[in-house]
Amino acid sequence: GNSVTQMEGPVTLSEEAFLTINCTYTATGYPSLFWYVQYPGEGLQLLLKATKADDKGSNKGFEATYRKETTSFHLEKGSVQVSDSAVYFCALTGANSKLTFGKGITLSVRP
Amino acid sequence: DAGVIQSPRHEVTEMGQEVTLRCKPISGHDYLFWYRQTMMRGLELLIYFNNNVPIDDSGMPEDRFSAKMPNASFSTLKIQPSEPRDSAVYFCASSLRGASNYGYTFGSGTRLTVV
Repeated sequence: GNSVTQMEGPVTLSEEAFLTINCTYTATGYPSLFWYVQYPGEGLQLLLKATKADDKGSNKGFEATYRKETTSFHLEKGSVQVSDSAVYFCALTGANSKLTFGKGITLSVRP
Repeated sequence: DAGVIQSPRHEVTEMGQEVTLRCKPISGHDYLFWYRQTMMRGLELLIYFNNNVPIDDSGMPEDRFSAKMPNASFSTLKIQPSEPRDSAVYFCASSLRGASNYGYTFGSGTRLTVV
């Protein structure tokens, strides 16, 4: 079945540091890939997505590239801000319309 | 659009009581999902509907849990009787034509505490 593996957290960075959050997946066929973000006390929000190999999703300075050869969808940002502190979830969906989520990773950004 | 609307935002109840959580999906969305989030288990899919019909309820933990979608604009998740281990944040999400191109839109969740 489909599965998503995220790197272990939590991650603590200083403001303006470079961010990478690793995500790898296992899936049959050609899944669509997503990153969701959850701010404290809120629901999950779609951050970015990619629907086919080599697509790059981007939003709010975050980027992730769909790498079929390495089955990865790592999230990056060149300069994080305190306001980026949140929980980040990698997810995929296949033909059955269900999203499969990773465990999530907590990012804390220090001023 | 107001997004996915869940009520109540917080619910505190005593063990053994019935609890009903409510969800209004985005108008026009044809899929609705119920998730539970805990520190220990993360996000768990409980059940999902397509065009108001339950498609997969394999994630419903036990018979104490039931979900309905009487029409396209309303769904309920009921727990009867509730137990302390049901304490969690329950999210409802909706999507158009499944998640492949559009992902899901989540509500703000209901934080349930069973004492």
